Amino acid sequence: AQSVTQPDIHITVSEGASLELRCNYSYGATPYLFWYVQSPGQGLQLLLKYFSGDTLVQGIKGFEAEFKRSQSSFNLRKPSVHWSDAAEYFCAVGAPNYGGATNKLIFGTGTLLAVQP
Amino acid sequence: EAEVAQSPRYKITEKSQAVAFWCDPISGHATLYWYRQILGQGPELLVQFQDESVVDDSQLPKDRFSAERLKGVDSTLKIQPAELGDSAMYLCASRPGARASSPLHFGNGTRLTVT
Repeated sequence: AQSVTQPDIHITVSEGASLELRCNYSYGATPYLFWYVQSPGQGLQLLLKYFSGDTLVQGIKGFEAEFKRSQSSFNLRKPSVHWSDAAEYFCAVGAPNYGGATNKLIFGTGTLLAVQP
Repeated sequence: EAEVAQSPRYKITEKSQAVAFWCDPISGHATLYWYRQILGQGPELLVQFQDESVVDDSQLPKDRFSAERLKGVDSTLKIQPAELGDSAMYLCASRPGARASSPLHFGNGTRLTVT
């Protein structure tokens, strides 16, 4: 069955420092991968997505992610974190629905990012 | 930019009561999802519609939950009776079609507290 693992529940970084959030997926075929960000009490906003082509994808707010098939990973990175990046980050994989006719997103459990001044 | 609208934003109800949530997806989006997000966890799919038809309700607790999208536009999710364990954020999302590569657009959710 398809699944997503985010090993880090909580990460704290200093403002201006670099960031890497880990994501591992389990999926038999070429995956469709997404990163979403959720601010407290809000819905999820798409940061970036990957479904083919260049394995390094650029997203909004200065984020990027690299797809590594050999490691089944899709880690999210940012070279310099801003205080406004404090939020919860979710990795997701597109997967077929029950019955296989259509598809849905399966989410990881999220990584909560805190930013120190 | 068009948004997915959800109401109410917050709902407090007593256990055994009925509660309903409403979602209006982005205009033209044929696929609509209801996800439940328990505090500290990722969203989990409850039900998915393609136009007015349910295409996946395998994780919907059908003894107490129901969902409808009668005209293929807005949708209602109902819980009756509510239980303490139903306290969560209920998120609605939509996408134009059903292609796996197209992202979901989420509303701001309804935070349900069952007392």
